Amino acid sequence: QQQVKQSPQSLIVQKGGIPIINCAYENTAFDYFPWYQQFPGKGPALLIAIRPDVSEKKEGRFTISFNKSAKQFSLHIMDSQPGDSATYFCAATYRDRGSTLGRLYFGRGTQLTVWP
Amino acid sequence: EPEVTQTPSHQVTQMGQEVILRCVPISNHLYFYWYRQILGQKVEFLVSFYNNEISEKSEIFDDQFSVERPDGSNFTLKIRSTKLEDSAMYFCASSARGRGSTEAFFGQGTRLTVV
Repeated sequence: QQQVKQSPQSLIVQKGGIPIINCAYENTAFDYFPWYQQFPGKGPALLIAIRPDVSEKKEGRFTISFNKSAKQFSLHIMDSQPGDSATYFCAATYRDRGSTLGRLYFGRGTQLTVWP
Repeated sequence: EPEVTQTPSHQVTQMGQEVILRCVPISNHLYFYWYRQILGQKVEFLVSFYNNEISEKSEIFDDQFSVERPDGSNFTLKIRSTKLEDSAMYFCASSARGRGSTEAFFGQGTRLTVV
């Protein structure tokens, strides 16, 4: 069972474009939705995260839109740059034992290429 | 900036051999995790560890796998008898306890190649 579905698998945009990556989840117990950025040969690094009590969160050029009723969330990258070229993973989890982080369920990843 | 460090960066082993992957989590973190990523696929959870015991494990984490915190700083993943399908990038992660501490910090990974 795939808990988190992510699309598209790959995405190519021109510099300055706004790539959008979409994710859908199944488990309504999830209460934390992070996005991770991974460069080749590196581990995933937290980019931005959202909780289900808000519909949008913006940090710099990165914005998460969250639709609780549809169980979907998406990442928008404004004014994309070649340095944003990386693999992006959405994830979902629930907090265990209070505020600690539970198991992360990752999407399959989106390979983003931003052409100069 | 504190970081999770993993050793070795790349390990090649023969099928059937035991391997131990090592991780040094961030010093004040209390929750530790192992994930793996088969080439080109998604990151998959293996196991979480807290207070010297396994908190949760996935279906991947069978009897061939074990984890240990042998001292105050290291966290290890042992694969007893490696199979070809164990070839993957293995990531260690750690997170802190407490309100707002919901971020998992990942190491750079160990690439395991089973031949």
